[in-house]
Amino acid sequence: GEDVEQSLFLSVREGDSSVINCTYTDSSSTYLYWYKQEPGAGLQLLTYIFSNMDMKQDQRLTVLLNKKDKHLSLRIADTQTGDSAIYFCAETVTGGSYIPTFGRGTSLIVHP
Amino acid sequence: DAGVIQSPRHEVTEMGQEVTLRCKPISGHNSLFWYRQTMMRGLELLIYFNNNVPIDDSGMPEDRFSAKMPNASFSTLKIQPSEPRDSAVYFCASSPSGGAGEQYFGPGTRLTVT
Repeated sequence: GEDVEQSLFLSVREGDSSVINCTYTDSSSTYLYWYKQEPGAGLQLLTYIFSNMDMKQDQRLTVLLNKKDKHLSLRIADTQTGDSAIYFCAETVTGGSYIPTFGRGTSLIVHP
Repeated sequence: DAGVIQSPRHEVTEMGQEVTLRCKPISGHNSLFWYRQTMMRGLELLIYFNNNVPIDDSGMPEDRFSAKMPNASFSTLKIQPSEPRDSAVYFCASSPSGGAGEQYFGPGTRLTVT
């Protein structure tokens, strides 16, 4: 079955890089997503990667996918206090309903 | 584009009362999703619609919950009667055709049942 796991918390210093990790169990994943949820708001799609890609970069965000280990990561360069939020990993599965399965979210805390 | 619109943003009600949450999806999107978020259970998919038709309601916790989508621009989630354990943030999201993973979330309705 589908299962997406993330660590619950990550604390970094402003200006450092943040790396948020995610593991998934279904090897037939089609797309993998990163969503961001700021306090009091809904989830916002940040970026996604197709399962035949290894890496995707978008400004300060870098997504790395290791299909062999079923591991996805989101790197945020030069982390700012405005990056403090909950980050959700999600996957959709080939041959499934294409409804994403979300992880529990990682709370990123950026301190000065 | 105004994005997904939800109302009310906050709702406080007493146990036993009926609660109706409303959602207007992004124009042109043909899939609509209702989620519930709590600290204990995280983000749970309650039901989703495709072209106004309910496709999967297996996430609806019990018969007290019902959802409708009478047209492409409006959906409701109703809880009757409400219970304290229904307290949560309820999100509506919509997605374009073929892009169910690419979801656009509303700001949520924070429901408190006392």
